[in-house]
Amino acid sequence: QVQLQESGPGLVKPSQTLSLTCTVSGGSINSGSYYWSWIRQPAGKGLEWIGRIYKSGNTNYNPSLKSRVTISVDTSKNQFSLMLSSVTAADTAVYYCAGDNWGWGWFDPWGQGTLVTVSS
Amino acid sequence: EIVLTQSPGTLSLSPGEGATLSCRASQTVSGSYLAWYQQKPGQAPRLLIYGASSRATGIPDRFSGSGSGTDFTLTISRLEPEDFAVYYCQQYGTSPYTFGQGTKLEI
Repeated sequence: QVQLQESGPGLVKPSQTLSLTCTVSGGSINSGSYYWSWIRQPAGKGLEWIGRIYKSGNTNYNPSLKSRVTISVDTSKNQFSLMLSSVTAADTAVYYCAGDNWGWGWFDPWGQGTLVTVSS
Repeated sequence: EIVLTQSPGTLSLSPGEGATLSCRASQTVSGSYLAWYQQKPGQAPRLLIYGASSRATGIPDRFSGSGSGTDFTLTISRLEPEDFAVYYCQQYGTSPYTFGQGTKLEI
């Protein structure tokens, strides 16, 4: 079955850009069966949907983050990526990548998550 | 955006008992496009229910979902020790997708 794995720096300085990659295994992004999302969770808090991308490159973003977010896809590497600019301490969170079956909007599978801390 | 309010914040029960978790939306969730997830410490959320009442693959039938419009319920019958976790609801009828703040189910 499809599995996801996040990777990227665990520490980012304030005002810099957070960059994460999600590698998809057990299936091809090119199959078109999924939309691919990023979701984050500050420590001890709830979940926030950041945005999603389809294999074509079409994206949808949460308006609360839209001005700072870019999600891209690299079908040759079976990966999709998140960039979040001008980060502050409020962006410190566990970041998850997740699959959204046929774009319905519910998330399964999920990556294990990666903690990103924004600190100087 | 649609705000989801879950209640109670914490639910204290014992194994073998039944649990009822509520999720109320600030406006109608179109198509009953509501999902429920279970999250244990240090783990990613796990999909339990989608479409308000459809169980995800591999989810035991003691988990059931119901509701429509603005009021949704997750019911867990006969709690097992592994069911004690945090539960989140999520609406996907209107972008941006939003989650509730969670209900902690504790022993």
